[in-house]
Amino acid sequence: EVQLVESGGGLVQPGRSLRLSCAASGFTFDDYAIHWVRQAPGKGLEWVTGLNWNSGGIVYAASVKGRFTVSRDNAKNSVYLQMNSLRAEDTAFYYCVKDKHNILTDSFDSWGQGTLVTVSS
Amino acid sequence: DVVLTQSPLSLPVTLGQPASISCRSSQSLVYRDGNTFLNWFQQRPGQSPRRLIYKVSNRDSGVPDRFSGSGSGTDFTLKISRVEAEDVGVYYCMQGTHWPATFGGGTKVEIK
Repeated sequence: EVQLVESGGGLVQPGRSLRLSCAASGFTFDDYAIHWVRQAPGKGLEWVTGLNWNSGGIVYAASVKGRFTVSRDNAKNSVYLQMNSLRAEDTAFYYCVKDKHNILTDSFDSWGQGTLVTVSS
Repeated sequence: DVVLTQSPLSLPVTLGQPASISCRSSQSLVYRDGNTFLNWFQQRPGQSPRRLIYKVSNRDSGVPDRFSGSGSGTDFTLKISRVEAEDVGVYYCMQGTHWPATFGGGTKVEIK
């Protein structure tokens, strides 16, 4: 069974940093691209970033470009999202999402349960 | 970025009755290879989203056949032929033709 478990969320002050992790299991991790999608509480979905199986093809949403960095460690079956210069509007649940392919596509196959990031002073 | 506009925002439905959700795109979602990358997701209360429909009209594995997708170009529709209690939640369209992928604002389906 595919499992994606996000961690690292919490309360952080504006301008500070936070690093999210996504631990994957139940599939051959390095065969698939991974995305991060976020959802502000009670709001809609926003694709944030993603990377291919080999850490290539990285793309960011304009809203986070230059502040967020995505990476993966295939030896640890994990993906990371380094979030710097956080703003109130970054407050959201952050979901780790497995792609159905080894490169970024729109085939969002499996979702984690999400981790909540709250940016507030 | 491509803007997807869903309507209605809220859809109260009687159990056993049909429901229809519209998704309109700010530009054509036909990719240069002829495919149209328009998906539909369901998010039940307290749960993560799950995909129901991909490439306009293809149901994902395990999705009941009361769900169907249709449309072309810029106009798309998700239909539920007979709404059941487990269908309550928010439905989102999402396009993957033009990156970054974007989602519609969501339609909340509730039981009258």
